Amino acid sequence: EVQLVESGGGLVQPGRSLRLSCAASGLTFDDYAMHWVRQTPGKGLEWVSGISWNSDSIDYADSVKGRFTISRDNAKNSLYLQMNSLRTEDTALYYCAKDIAGDIAETEFDYWGQGTLVTVSS
Amino acid sequence: SYELTQPSSVSVSPGQTARITCSGDVLVKKYARWFQQKPGQAPVLVIYKDTERPSGIPERFSGSSSGTTVTLTISGAQAEDEANYYCYSGADNNRIFGGGTKLTVL
Repeated sequence: EVQLVESGGGLVQPGRSLRLSCAASGLTFDDYAMHWVRQTPGKGLEWVSGISWNSDSIDYADSVKGRFTISRDNAKNSLYLQMNSLRTEDTALYYCAKDIAGDIAETEFDYWGQGTLVTVSS
Repeated sequence: SYELTQPSSVSVSPGQTARITCSGDVLVKKYARWFQQKPGQAPVLVIYKDTERPSGIPERFSGSSSGTTVTLTISGAQAEDEANYYCYSGADNNRIFGGGTKLTVL
């Protein structure tokens, strides 16, 4: 059974940084691209970033480009999201999501984690 | 950029058929997926490639497509199907979710 477990969320002041992690199990992690998707009550679901199986292809939503960095460690079956220069509008529940393929060109999610809450507030 | 439009809410009585639509120009050239999300839970894939049902998803869930609209149909809706449903499609490096539809079964 595929399991994705996010961690690292919390309360942070605007302008500060936070690093999210996602631990994967029940799958051959380095076969698949992975993504971060966030959810807010006001804006619904929003894709944030994706990374191919070998980290060669990476993409970001315009809203986070230049501030967030996605990475993965296949030896540790883990996905990360480094979030810098956080803004109040980044407040959301952040999900880790698995792709059905190894590349991010045709992003298709199947399994999701339970999410980790990020609150950006002074 | 592309958009996917869903009704904000749909209500049915138990045993009735619920239909949730998702409309957008991208659906002419790309498949859609449907996710079910219950309160406090992660989204669960219920339909992919417009009409395909993953293993473990009840047969009462089905999908269809016509032009720029895809439809999620729940035949004989049950109380446990009450949830938010989101459509998704990706094209030209756009990864788009619909705004979600709250299905009420009462």
